[in-house]
Amino acid sequence: GDSVTQMEGPVTLSEEAFLTINCTYTATGYPSLFWYVQYPGEGLQLLLKATKADDKGSNKGFEATYRKETTSFHLEKGSVQVSDSAVYFCALKRGATNKLIFGTGTLLAVQP
Amino acid sequence: EAGVAQSPRYKIIEKRQSVAFWCNPISGHATLYWYQQILGQGPKLLIQFQNNGVVDDSQLPKDRFSAERLKGVDSTLKIQPAKLEDSAVYLCASSSEGGQGSPLHFGNGTRLTVT
Repeated sequence: GDSVTQMEGPVTLSEEAFLTINCTYTATGYPSLFWYVQYPGEGLQLLLKATKADDKGSNKGFEATYRKETTSFHLEKGSVQVSDSAVYFCALKRGATNKLIFGTGTLLAVQP
Repeated sequence: EAGVAQSPRYKIIEKRQSVAFWCNPISGHATLYWYQQILGQGPKLLIQFQNNGVVDDSQLPKDRFSAERLKGVDSTLKIQPAKLEDSAVYLCASSSEGGQGSPLHFGNGTRLTVT
């Protein structure tokens, strides 16, 4: 069945460091791919999405490119801030029911 | 626009008791989802509604969980009787259409603790 695999956390970075959170997926056909973020004490928020191969989603300085050849959708940011500390979830959506399938999440902690 | 509303925010019950959660989706959103998020894991879909019809409930433990969406708007999720392993955050989400590229909008969730 469809699935999403994310890198294990926690990821601890200093402010202004470069961030990469790896995400790979398994799915037949062409799913849509999403990154959601969950800040402490808050609900899940859509961060960015891509709906077809080679699409790049971007928001708030974060980027991710839909790579069909490597079945990946890695999240990147050039310079993280303390306020980026949160749990990041990679997810895919495909098929007749269009349900969203999540990875296990990656905790990011940014230190000043 | 107003977001997805859920209540209560927190609930503590003893095992074998029953509990109900309520969700009001974004106005006009036809598709409604209930997810279960166990600590340290990604959210798992329990049930998906399109208007007031069930699209997918394949992972809903039907011996103890039930959900309804009357009139295609509000929804309730019930657990009866609760078990210790039901301790989790229950998330409600909605989307304007069921299309593959349409994102889900989530509420803040209900944190359930079963003792």
